[in-house]
Amino acid sequence: EVQLLESGGGLVQPGGSLRLSCAGSGFTFSSYALYWVRQAPGKGLEWVSTISESGGDTYYADSVRGRFTISRDNFKNTLYLQMNSLRADDTAVYYCARNYYPDVWGQGTTVTVSS
Amino acid sequence: DIQMTQSPSTLSASVGDRVTITCRASQSISNWLAWYQQKPGKAPKLLIYRASSLESGVPSRFSGSGFGTEFTLTISSLQPDDFATYYCHQYSTYPRTFGQGTKVEIK
Repeated sequence: EVQLLESGGGLVQPGGSLRLSCAGSGFTFSSYALYWVRQAPGKGLEWVSTISESGGDTYYADSVRGRFTISRDNFKNTLYLQMNSLRADDTAVYYCARNYYPDVWGQGTTVTVSS
Repeated sequence: DIQMTQSPSTLSASVGDRVTITCRASQSISNWLAWYQQKPGKAPKLLIYRASSLESGVPSRFSGSGFGTEFTLTISSLQPDDFATYYCHQYSTYPRTFGQGTKVEIK
């Protein structure tokens, strides 16, 4: 079964850091670009970042550029999102997803930024 | 940035109704458009990609059309399982963008 499983969410204070992970299984991980998408409580979907199959190309939303870093380890079949300088408006469910038009999504991990 | 505007924001319909949701792009995206269904507390589910290609396993009552800046998602006969929020998504250029969503409610 093709699957993505996020982990690493939690409660963090403003200005803090968190690293999200997304483990892929059931498919050739290195053959797919990967996305992070977030959804603030009661709001719509917001694209956060994309990384190419090899990891050589990365793209970011303006709202996170300079604070978040996307990376991947194709040997471990794992996608990462390092989030620094977190703000209250980063509070959201964070989803990882596969492909340039996301066709497989994880179940999401919740990040809450609050003092 | 390419803005994606969906209409309506909310739609009230009955089982069996034909439902159409529109998505407009602020500039041409060719056919690089996907449609998603999302239910509360769940991840989005891909319905349509490349504007009109039906994802495997998605019922044939769902269809997509359009090119350039105007796109539609049609549900030919609304079923109880279809009450959800629908999003369009352009993957033509970066930054990627989503529409604001259309909530399909029971009338």
